[in-house]
Amino acid sequence: DIVMTQSPDSLAVSLGERVTINCKSSHPVLYSSNNKNSLGWYQQKPGLPPKLLIYWASTRESGVPDRFSGSGSGTDFTLTISNLQAEDVAVYYCHQYYSIPFTFGQGTRLEIK
Amino acid sequence: QLQLQESGPGLVKPSETLSLTCTVSGGSISSSSYYWGWIRQPPGKGLEWIGSIYYSGTTYYNPSLKSRVTISVDTSKNQVSLKLNSVTAADTAMYYCARHATATTYERLDSWGLGTLVTVSS
Repeated sequence: DIVMTQSPDSLAVSLGERVTINCKSSHPVLYSSNNKNSLGWYQQKPGLPPKLLIYWASTRESGVPDRFSGSGSGTDFTLTISNLQAEDVAVYYCHQYYSIPFTFGQGTRLEIK
Repeated sequence: QLQLQESGPGLVKPSETLSLTCTVSGGSISSSSYYWGWIRQPPGKGLEWIGSIYYSGTTYYNPSLKSRVTISVDTSKNQVSLKLNSVTAADTAMYYCARHATATTYERLDSWGLGTLVTVSS
């Protein structure tokens, strides 16, 4: 199984600041057919299902604010939230869909300082 | 607009079979050529992929659960079903159905149901 490890486990950031969440995979997730990384980021607010934010490591899902961005390749990936808003309080998960079993990171809890 | 709704018993006894249904509306399972998956989340914990199915019946399962899981599709009802047998307390979780973004299971999950909580307890 590909193990996805996120860091940090939790963080508290002031409104308007930048947030960086890291995700490391135990195996490269580069899909050779399209030369893209099979890595997604999800946001989960309390009592709700996960919501897709980013796919192919850096492509923003339709309707997602442009303050959310993804980067990285191979085994190291980053979700960046610029200009943190109060509604961004949530748990964030990375997800590899490169190989079965598909796996998720343990989650990063984001709070407002 | 695509909607997924999970349904089933909220309480299952240990050693019995958990049975859930995901009803898809706003699109046809058989014509839209997507894979459909089940994911679970124990209370306060992370996400675990259970398995996925294509409308034709092709399935992929998490090896850790494969011996106990069956996922099926009923195109006439636009439903995907999950059965998990010999459940224990460790199977207590919120169970979500979700859609893979394209006609391959090796894809992001772009639409999710609200989930249904299943508790395993006598």
